[in-house]
Amino acid sequence: KNEVEQSPQNLTAQEGEFITINCSYSVGISALHWLQQHPGGGIVSLFMLSSGKKKHGRLIATINIQEKHSSLHITASHPRDSAVYICAGYSNYQLIWGAGTKLIIKP
Amino acid sequence: SQTIHQWPATLVQPVGSPLSLECTVEGTSNPNLYWYRQAAGRGLQLLFYSVGIGQISSEVPQNLSASRPQDRQFILSSKKLLLSDSGFYLCAGSSGLGNTEAFFGQGTRLTVV
Repeated sequence: KNEVEQSPQNLTAQEGEFITINCSYSVGISALHWLQQHPGGGIVSLFMLSSGKKKHGRLIATINIQEKHSSLHITASHPRDSAVYICAGYSNYQLIWGAGTKLIIKP
Repeated sequence: SQTIHQWPATLVQPVGSPLSLECTVEGTSNPNLYWYRQAAGRGLQLLFYSVGIGQISSEVPQNLSASRPQDRQFILSSKKLLLSDSGFYLCAGSSGLGNTEAFFGQGTRLTVV
């Protein structure tokens, strides 16, 4: 079992839908990162969380330290949100990566 | 805030040619630095990490090497590229009191032909 698990692995939705991607971890971490990777493109860091909730535009990230769980939400999804979303926990000077969630938003 | 400049963003190289990918850090000193690789359809795998100048730890045996000639410079190299070296390479760093968070380069997509 991976120390950082993401779900779902793949997600296809219609434009405008509310999207939720989940990340659960089994180790103690000091921070949880959400990153976005576009097809053929690079990595963009979206959020760094150690507690609570952060919002940037249509993106919202939450973390529950007690439950060791984080979620990334996208409101009013758009085809340009199509990408792979990756969570990574930072623990003991190491990054522990989730396998990624491939999101496709259809117009 | 800390930033990593990683270049190039994309690279196409012939088999047997050398490789040099570089990342430089701004906004902090004495960071821990990491090189990761993502093969097609797979997750990110740690290749090398460095806690200081000249200090490199290798996580997996491979055709690659890393060097840290300066505090804020981390280089990934190969003398002769293989087809299997194709993939996405990401430089990352961590710093700050207690090293509680990480920061990331944009990555390099390498295609060996």
